[in-house]
Amino acid sequence: EDQVTQSPEALRLQEGESSSLNCSYTVSGLRGLFWYRQDPGKGPEFLFTLYSAGEEKEKERLKATLTKKESFLHITAPKPEDSATYLCAVVGSYNTDKLIFGTGTRLQVFP
Amino acid sequence: GAVVSQHPSRVICKSGTSVKIECRSLDFQATTMFWYRQFPKQSLMLMATSNEGSKATYEQGVEKDKFLINHASLTLSTLTVTSAHPEDSSFYICSATRFEAFFGQGTRLTVV
Repeated sequence: EDQVTQSPEALRLQEGESSSLNCSYTVSGLRGLFWYRQDPGKGPEFLFTLYSAGEEKEKERLKATLTKKESFLHITAPKPEDSATYLCAVVGSYNTDKLIFGTGTRLQVFP
Repeated sequence: GAVVSQHPSRVICKSGTSVKIECRSLDFQATTMFWYRQFPKQSLMLMATSNEGSKATYEQGVEKDKFLINHASLTLSTLTVTSAHPEDSSFYICSATRFEAFFGQGTRLTVV
């Protein structure tokens, strides 16, 4: 069964304190791994798609990496506006376009 | 990224009435649209998959007669919560996909 596990569940950082969020996955034939950001009371906002092991993508203070078993979202020198829940999701070969979501990491960045 | 518009963002309705939520992909034709429900501090729970011109596919445990989905075109899908009850109060989110999924802003439904 396809499965996604995110850790930690919650993370508190001081502004400027870099860290990483983890997304471990088990899927039959990975077609894509996605990272989203969700603010309270809003729909998820698309961040990245990763397709194959070794791939990396960057956007401002965020960098996503992918191996055959997990993905990391690295946050460099975070700011309070980076506070949100970060969701990881995968699409496998047998699930058409269905996203299998992890439970998310709630990030709080304090000034 | 692509834009998906969801309306209304908030709705309060009386128990027993029906509520319709619209989801539109504004700048691309979506092959598939999905409807989710999200409880506080939890991840998204897939309710149904919607393809233009065909019947929606519902996830196990989701009542298809209560949550009516119509996918009128490649850019519009609607979710109607029929005979709503307080336990249907939740945050409903749609997504439109062309492989990558783009989400609407969500609809906060409160049934009183």
